[in-house]
Formats: sequence, C-alpha cells, structure tokens
Amino acid sequence: AQSVTQPDIHITVSEGASLELRCNYSYGATPYLFWYVQSPGQGLQLLLKYFSGDTLVQGIKGFEAEFKRSQSSFNLRKPSVHWSDAAEYFCAVGFNNAGNMLTFGGGTRLMVKP
Amino acid sequence: EPEVTQTPSHQVTQMGQEVILRCVPISNHLYFYWYRQILGQKVEFLVSFYNNEISEKSEIFDDQFSVERPDGSNFTLKIRSTKLEDSAMYFCASGSGLWGPQYFGPGTRLTVL
Repeated sequence: AQSVTQPDIHITVSEGASLELRCNYSYGATPYLFWYVQSPGQGLQLLLKYFSGDTLVQGIKGFEAEFKRSQSSFNLRKPSVHWSDAAEYFCAVGFNNAGNMLTFGGGTRLMVKP
Repeated sequence: EPEVTQTPSHQVTQMGQEVILRCVPISNHLYFYWYRQILGQKVEFLVSFYNNEISEKSEIFDDQFSVERPDGSNFTLKIRSTKLEDSAMYFCASGSGLWGPQYFGPGTRLTVL
C-alpha cells in the first residue's frame, strides 16, 4: 500500500540556520507531491507542489523542495530559518491509482531557537 | 486572497447526536474534500466531491457520514450519530482541478462527550 513517511517528529534549529525536513513515500510511479504548513490554531497552508518537470520547486516564504525519484523523497529546505517558521510541516502525496485523495505524512514540528 | 472558511471553529456534542460541519470553499473551485485529524495522529482523507456527487471516499466514511452541497457556496459534512472516536479536527479543502493543489480551511474541532 502507498505510504508517506516523515522520519523526524520534532526538529529544533537556531534562527538563521538552514533547514531540511525529510519526506519519503512508497509508490511505484511518480506521485503528486505537496508540502503544507500548519501554525497553531490555523489551517493547512500550501507551501509548494510538484507535478512534473523541474525537480527543484520553489514555494512561498523562501521554501524549496527537491524531488528525487531514485530515493522516493521530496525533502523541504530553507537556507535561513526565521522564528516565524516555527510550525508543523506536513508532506502530502497524491497517488494516481487512489483518486484525488491526499495521503499525509505524520508531520514534523519545527522549533526555532533565538 | 480567497480562502476556505469553516464554521463552527469548535463544536461540542453528546454521543449519539447529529452534527453538521459547514464549509465555504473558494468560489471558482469545483472539487471539494473533507479530511480529519484525530489528536496526535495523521491527517486522514474522508471524502471528495465533484459535480454534485462523491468521487472518492475512504473506509472511515461509513454510513454515519454524508456530504452535501446544498447551494452554490456551502459544502457540509453531516455525522448522523456521533461516537466518541469521531472527536477530531475536521478540515475542508477545495481545488480547481483534479490534481491541482487543495486549499484547506482552518478546521472545526469536534468534541464528542
């Protein structure tokens, strides 16, 4: 069965440091890939998406993600984290053989140290 | 910027009662979804809705659940007889295309006592 894994439940980084959040999926074909962010009390905000083409995609708030087919990964990166980036981040995947539902990873909670 | 809105933000109900969760999707979107997140667990797909009918549903979406688009703007999720395990955050989402991005509302926290 298809699955999405975010190996890191919590990550703490210092403000100004770089960030990489990991996402791996299990599926035989290329899926549709998304990253969402959820701040406390807020809904899920779309950061970026990958459907096809260039494997490095740019999103909002200075985030980017790279699709690596060989590793079945879609890791989220940011070169310099701001305190306002503290939130929970969700990787979500759409699989062609599963209609248009999204399968979510468990989320990674990011904390930012001053 | 257009947003998906949901009401109420928090609903408390007694077990066995019916609840209706309301959503107003983004106005030109054609695809509508409900997801839920039980505290401490993953966000889970419930149902998708297109052209006035359900297009996909998960195993969670049993006969106790129903969805409706009663007019041109609202999209509702009804739970007929709530159970304790229905306590969760329920998210509505909408999208403009089949595999376009889904835009989520802020959620309704349902507490079943």
